[in-house]
Amino acid sequence: NAGVTQTPKFQVLKTGQSMTLQCAQDMNHNSMYWYRQDPGMGLRLIYYSASEGTTDKGEVPNGYNVSRLNKREFSLRLESAAPSQTSVYFCASSEPTGELFFGEGSRLTVL
Amino acid sequence: AQSVAQPEDQVNVAEGNPLTVKCTYSVSGNPYLFWYVQYPNRGLQFLLKYITGDNLVKGSYGFEAEFNKSQTSFHLKKPSALVSDSALYFCAVRPLNTGKLIFGQGTTLQVKP
Repeated sequence: NAGVTQTPKFQVLKTGQSMTLQCAQDMNHNSMYWYRQDPGMGLRLIYYSASEGTTDKGEVPNGYNVSRLNKREFSLRLESAAPSQTSVYFCASSEPTGELFFGEGSRLTVL
Repeated sequence: AQSVAQPEDQVNVAEGNPLTVKCTYSVSGNPYLFWYVQYPNRGLQFLLKYITGDNLVKGSYGFEAEFNKSQTSFHLKKPSALVSDSALYFCAVRPLNTGKLIFGQGTTLQVKP
């Protein structure tokens, strides 16, 4: 059972480049999330999807877009990467009141 | 604003001693409360949660947490620490009527032999 799978695991971008982080879950969860983790700041919510076809902004949505492609997949897009977006990105899924299950993370460096 | 505070950046304990990692929250109503652990270069793993009922919640790997409504706290505890418990611990809160989880900044637990 794979759980939550994120790709790529590592990525280096130049300022201004674009990229998409992919996330898929096989637990039939309705809710999916994208967080970023920065030292000393914990995890901050970027975007959230309560169910297929819905998305909602989190704490730090600027510079990002998301797509809930179907129940399994939730992608995060950086249209024009900035050095401030250097971070570790985590995708997670859950049932509405349950615990979150996390992927292993995607480490992004923007030069 | 809704928030979660973990007042200690790092907690150091000797192996075999009890440990406590503190968490307080500022959220209206009766939120759901969670603890997660993160090992280096890994994702977060769920330890335990409080929704309702007994104030002492037991979870994975011998951890437990005590909910105190009057102090709005949810401290993580373990009676006897292991070196392998060394990791980064996150407290998280889900306010009612929202699916979003709010995380604390994390506490590094260092257990020394």
